Formats: sequence, C-alpha cells, structure tokens
Amino acid sequence: GENVEQHPSTLSVQEGDSAVIKCTYSDSASNYFPWYKQELGKGPQLIIDIRSNVGEKKDQRIAVTLNKTAKHFSLHITETQPEDSAVYFCAASGFGNEKLTFGTGTRLTIIP
Amino acid sequence: SAVISQKPSRDICQRGTSLTIQCQVDSQVTMMFWYRQQPGQSLTLIATANQGSEATYESGFVIDKFPISRPNLTFSTLTVSNMSPEDSSIYLCSSRTGNYGYTFGSGTRLTVV
Repeated sequence: GENVEQHPSTLSVQEGDSAVIKCTYSDSASNYFPWYKQELGKGPQLIIDIRSNVGEKKDQRIAVTLNKTAKHFSLHITETQPEDSAVYFCAASGFGNEKLTFGTGTRLTIIP
Repeated sequence: SAVISQKPSRDICQRGTSLTIQCQVDSQVTMMFWYRQQPGQSLTLIATANQGSEATYESGFVIDKFPISRPNLTFSTLTVSNMSPEDSSIYLCSSRTGNYGYTFGSGTRLTVV
C-alpha cells in the first residue's frame, strides 16, 4: 500500500519568512495530493490540493509543487503569520484507491 | 464542500463500556471514512463505509471492536466497543464529495478511564 513520509516533524519560522514542508510517497499510481491544517481541538481543514496532471498550484500565500518522477510534493507558505501556527499534514490517494494515506505531520510555529 | 457534524465532541468513558459516535453530512455522499488520531499522531484510517454494504476495515481494525452503520447517504455511526485506555484517541469522520475533496468533521475526543 501507499506510504507517505513527511519532513520536518517540527518547524519554527520567524513571522514574515517562508516555510517549506516536504512529503514523499511510494505508490506511483497516486494522483491526488492534498494538504491539511489542523488547529488545536479541531478537525483537519483542507488548505490546498494538487492533482498529478499539474506541477504547481498557488492560492495566495500558499503553494504546492509536485514532482511525479521523484514522487515528492511540497507545501510552501510565504509571508508567514502567527495564525499559520498549526499542525500540517500531507496525504495521497489515487484512482482505484479511494482512501487518503496521511504523512506524519509537521508542527509549524510562527515566532512573532 | 460538504459540512460534517460529529457528536459527541468529547466524552470520558469507563473501561469495558461502549461509545457510539455519530456523523451527519449536509449532502448525500457515496463514501464516508472513519479515522483514529492518537495523541500527537497522524490520522489512521479505520474503515470505509458505503451505503448499502458492509464497511471495509483496514488492517488492524475489526468489526467486533469498531462496528459501523451507514443507513443512508448522509449519516454514519462508529461504535468503539469494550473500551480500554488504549482506545483514548480522537475519532474523525470524513466524506468525499465529487472526484476529490475530502472533508473532515471536528472529531470526537475520547478518554477511557
């Protein structure tokens, strides 16, 4: 089955700087890669996703890049703000494999 | 995307008892998923629930421990049976709308004492 690795497990960034979180996946059939933000006491919230026919997607301060050859994808947050502090999870799924497999999570702390 | 309501939001239960968690989606969805998130950990899929058929369980999870119902396209329940302290976790319901787009409920925080 699919295996998703995520790095780093913790990340501290000065407010205003950029943050990058990286994930690798094992199943070359995976074709959908979402990123979730989980704040304390809440369920995961989808912040951005990318499909395998696209190499990059951007939504304001958040971007995701995908390298299918290397089987890795990354989350980029620019101009970080204190409200970006949370745990971020990457995930992967594909046709014929409807379930999401999650990475281990990254605790992002924005230092004011 | 769909809005998912989950209840209870938290509970403290005695070992040996059972708890049923309810998940309501504001639109009809084919697939619903139940996850467990142990303290400080990632999400692990327990089972996939399709309406009209038995749930499909992941390795390490069995129906006797985690029976699931899916009576219609907007509702599902997960029961955690014969609980022990090791079952203390957050349990999350999720649904998929369209081809992609998985939405999660806010979770049920279970403590077994």
